[in-house]
Amino acid sequence: GAVVSQHPSWVICKSGTSVKIECRSLDFQATTMFWYRQFPKQSLMLMATSNEGSKATYEQGVEKDKFLINHASLTLSTLTVTSAHPEDSSFYICSAPENLAVSYNEQFFGPGTRLTVL
Amino acid sequence: DQQVKQNSPSLSVQEGRISILNCDYTNSMFDYFLWYKKYPAEGPTFLISISSIKDKNEDGRFTVFLNKSAKHLSLHIVPSQPGDSAVYFCAAQQTGANNLFFGTGTRLTVIP
Repeated sequence: GAVVSQHPSWVICKSGTSVKIECRSLDFQATTMFWYRQFPKQSLMLMATSNEGSKATYEQGVEKDKFLINHASLTLSTLTVTSAHPEDSSFYICSAPENLAVSYNEQFFGPGTRLTVL
Repeated sequence: DQQVKQNSPSLSVQEGRISILNCDYTNSMFDYFLWYKKYPAEGPTFLISISSIKDKNEDGRFTVFLNKSAKHLSLHIVPSQPGDSAVYFCAAQQTGANNLFFGTGTRLTVIP
């Protein structure tokens, strides 16, 4: 199957700083990527849909000014957590469908990024 | 509002026996369902899926059953192997939408 990578896999930062997480599709082009967040013992929750060349679409309750998404190329989407606070500590995962032309398609997930804000 | 629910947070099964993982959903607009397997510190990997026009889909040791009237699906693994030990998420999708709605996961432990 298709491969999606994420970087970094693990990051610790001080409260108030910004953290950038990269999501790359390695062997296919992804015009759309999804960003999820998972808190302990909870399900993956969709945060936003990243669209190449246009603005991201955010789910209800997700602050677009806090979670900046940039999808500058067909293989790279970035999520920047601005002015991070301890409550932003979570596991962030991106995914990409390999072929949007297919009505239903399995999404390929990155390995995730564990963010800890001190 | 959790639209996809996995009410069993954990399940332990003896090696060689059948593992049955359950999932319920509330949104009748969902028409495609997927199961993902997740190891610690890794992203979920796709396992098997089923369209709402079917009630069963089988792939090797994995079979997914769908009961639309009950809004319930289950994943059967037989025979279970120690390497199957992981967290299993069910997910649901709606025609025209690419985002997935996930359950909270069930941690399966297969005891050798």
